[in-house]
Amino acid sequence: DGGITQSPKYLFRKEGQNVTLSCEQNLNHDAMYWYRQDPGQGLRLIYYSQIVNDFQKGDIAEGYSVSREKKESFPLTVTSAQKNPTAFYLCASSIPLRTGRNTEAFFGQGTRLTVV
Amino acid sequence: GEDVEQSLFLSVREGDSSVINCTYTDSSSTYLYWYKQEPGAGLQLLTYIFSNMDMKQDQRLTVLLNKKDKHLSLRIADTQTGDSAIYFCAESKAGGFKTIFGAGTRLFVKA
Repeated sequence: DGGITQSPKYLFRKEGQNVTLSCEQNLNHDAMYWYRQDPGQGLRLIYYSQIVNDFQKGDIAEGYSVSREKKESFPLTVTSAQKNPTAFYLCASSIPLRTGRNTEAFFGQGTRLTVV
Repeated sequence: GEDVEQSLFLSVREGDSSVINCTYTDSSSTYLYWYKQEPGAGLQLLTYIFSNMDMKQDQRLTVLLNKKDKHLSLRIADTQTGDSAIYFCAESKAGGFKTIFGAGTRLFVKA
């Protein structure tokens, strides 16, 4: 079955630590995205990638880093520079928006990160 | 600028219709989406409408688009307790690089 998988589902981080959230898709999508969701708020875009080996900052990129070495994978690292990292993180993939076609986003089940 | 706005909460009785409203600012939006998020899970696409359409119906779901007022609505007929979730409105446009999401409307269905 095609889909997008995030791991782990729950993650605990000590202050000052970097942690990496995994996102893998087998939908053959070129575009991948990372969003952050806080209670009562919508999705805020952290980083996005329209193609392998290329990515751009979203609206709240500070304290985060990504890589896109493979089409299937788009890991997100939450660095110690992110002052308030406790949140629900969602990864998504789609065909690139620039194609002009329907760009339905497929989402993973999310990773809940808690700073302890 | 790009912005999508929704009311935060809606409460309905089981069996009634639910109407969730959304306004957006980008008149060049191409696709408008409704996503559903259940607790602790990712978002799932419910339905979408292309910007040259006024209405789309899919079983219990009806989407209405008023391009003049930049208003999108989602009507759920015969609302069930299983419909309790957060519903997100979103827009994207051809040639753009990201989908813009609203803050989500939390639907409570009372038995």
